[in-house]
Amino acid sequence: EILMTQSPVTLSVSPGERATLSCRASESVNNKVAWYQQKPGQAPRLLMYDASNRASGFPARFSGSGSGTEYTLTISSLQSEDFALYYCQQYNKWPLTFGGGAKVEIK
Amino acid sequence: QVQLVESGGGVVQPGRSLRLSCAASGFAFNYYGIHWVRQAPGKGLQWVAVISYDGNAQYYEDSVKGRFTISRDNSKILVYLQMDSLRVEDTAIYYCAKDFFNTQGYSGKNHLRNFFDQWGQGSLVTVSS
Repeated sequence: EILMTQSPVTLSVSPGERATLSCRASESVNNKVAWYQQKPGQAPRLLMYDASNRASGFPARFSGSGSGTEYTLTISSLQSEDFALYYCQQYNKWPLTFGGGAKVEIK
Repeated sequence: QVQLVESGGGVVQPGRSLRLSCAASGFAFNYYGIHWVRQAPGKGLQWVAVISYDGNAQYYEDSVKGRFTISRDNSKILVYLQMDSLRVEDTAIYYCAKDFFNTQGYSGKNHLRNFFDQWGQGSLVTVSS
């Protein structure tokens, strides 16, 4: 199965600053990467798909990029509502697999 | 609006069975694949299974293959996850999630995009003696 490795595991950022989250796949996943946001006690929400397409309901400060095995989620200017857990997921091959998650916390 | 509501969770002993249900509303259910994704307490997400829009295709994660069965009843707008031979490591919140791809008018072979644009609130399954 394809292993998805997220880094850092925890990112401490001040409001208004930029946050960059990484996701590395154990083999190429052909841009078939989604990102999800999860807040405490809530289900995950689709944030990004096909590596760089923003899902409805998320503002333009969220962007995704990458290719091959390396993918990045960037939040250009963190707002209070962005402090959460973020997961990447590959859907290029079965079984579908997620990264271990990255927590964005207030510095 | 789109809504997915899971039910059927609870506490069960190892080796026993449980059936989860996922009730859908607010979208054309019979055109979408439905997935189950689980999350052990305090842990990350793990995809479990998917069923295609018409029920003709199912895929499973290896650790549940042969023990879990996903099915759907489009007339009742329900998806089920039958979980047999449960293990302690199956303890998790189980989410049903809608596949992104709308198959209406589509005649190709790939009926799934395999990422999840709507999720339920989850149902907790605890396997413990």
